[in-house]
Amino acid sequence: EVQLVQSGAEVKHPGESLKISCEASGYSFATYWIGWIRQMPGKGLEWMGIIYPGDSDTKYSPSFQGRVAISVDKSISTAYLQWSSLKASDTAMYYCARHEGVSTPLPDFWGQGTLVTVSS
Amino acid sequence: DIKMTQSPSSLSASVGDRVTITCRASQGVRIDLAWYQQKPGEAPERLIYSASRLQSGVPSRFSGSGSGTEFTLTISSLQPEDFATYYCLHCSAYPCAFGQGTKLEIK
Repeated sequence: EVQLVQSGAEVKHPGESLKISCEASGYSFATYWIGWIRQMPGKGLEWMGIIYPGDSDTKYSPSFQGRVAISVDKSISTAYLQWSSLKASDTAMYYCARHEGVSTPLPDFWGQGTLVTVSS
Repeated sequence: DIKMTQSPSSLSASVGDRVTITCRASQGVRIDLAWYQQKPGEAPERLIYSASRLQSGVPSRFSGSGSGTEFTLTISSLQPEDFATYYCLHCSAYPCAFGQGTKLEIK
């Protein structure tokens, strides 16, 4: 059974750094793209980017390029989403999702979400 | 970047109704499109992929069609558990992009 288990909710101050995680199980982690999707309070879904754990090839949406970093640790089948300096506008629910497909991977299985709150 | 436009943004319908949601792409995306259902407080779930293929375990009242720039999600007979928000997503080229969502409410 494919499972993606995300780290718990975070409350941070503006300017702080943060790294949230997504632990995968039930499939070959290295051979599927895995990515992150943002949902701001009361708003729609926004695709942020994906990474291929096999070679760490990473694709970012221009809206998020330079603001976040996506990484993986293959040894523990875990993907990460990281910020170096949070802003209040980063307050959102963040979902990780396995992406299925070779040339045009689409999300199939999703994590439960990690709520990030940034407030002074 | 390719933009996805869903219509309508919201929809009121009754149990048993047939409903259709449309998603238009600003450029052709072949059939590299999926539909997702999201209920309040839950993660999205995939209903349809490759424009028309039903995800395993999803009821057959859900169907998808289209290719290129115009796609539809149809629910043939609404059930109480179908009242949710629906999103299309293309991944034909990076960045992938979601439609803005369609909130399906009980009339």
